[in-house]
Amino acid sequence: DAEITQSPRHKITETGRQVTLACHQTWNHNNMFWYRQDLGHGLRLIHYSYGVQDTNKGEVSDGYSVSRSNTEDLPLTLESAASSQTSVYFCASSELGRRGAFFGQGTRLTVV
Amino acid sequence: SQQGEEDPQALSIQEGENATMNCSYKTSINNLQWYRQNSGRGLVHLILIRSNEREKHSGRLRVTLDTSKKSSSLLITASRAADTASYFCATAEGGYGNKLVFGAGTILRVKS
Repeated sequence: DAEITQSPRHKITETGRQVTLACHQTWNHNNMFWYRQDLGHGLRLIHYSYGVQDTNKGEVSDGYSVSRSNTEDLPLTLESAASSQTSVYFCASSELGRRGAFFGQGTRLTVV
Repeated sequence: SQQGEEDPQALSIQEGENATMNCSYKTSINNLQWYRQNSGRGLVHLILIRSNEREKHSGRLRVTLDTSKKSSSLLITASRAADTASYFCATAEGGYGNKLVFGAGTILRVKS
């Protein structure tokens, strides 16, 4: 069955370190998204991509970057982790013309 | 910024009762979607309603959309303990598959 997986599921890192969260989908979707979820804020869009080599900034993109070199993967990089980036991160994928997005199980990131 | 507010923030009901959650949004939309999130898990797509639709049903779910008031409601009939979860509305300005803007969510607890 097609799926979308995130790794790692949990990570603790130190302030100032570079961190990369992986997202891999086997739906063959063109659209991929990264959200962060914080209490009281719902999900906020960090970056998104509508296809290979396409990346766009979302609502809360400062301090994050993504790259899309193939259809399956959209890794999220925190250039220099800050305590404010402690959050749960969700990757999602969807296809234009199809209904709904598919979400990964999330990565809980703690920056100490 | 977030698209809008969800009301109530939390709802506690008895099994068998109906649960109604409301969502308001700020901008023009192409479609509105509802998602469920069980504790510690990713989001699962429930239902999508297009901007030219007023009501949609899926099993025990009924969604309404009032574009003049920029609001939507999700009704879960004959609730079950397994419906305990957080529910989020999300709006899309573009077509299906485009980026979503989420509300803060409603926490539903169904007591058995």
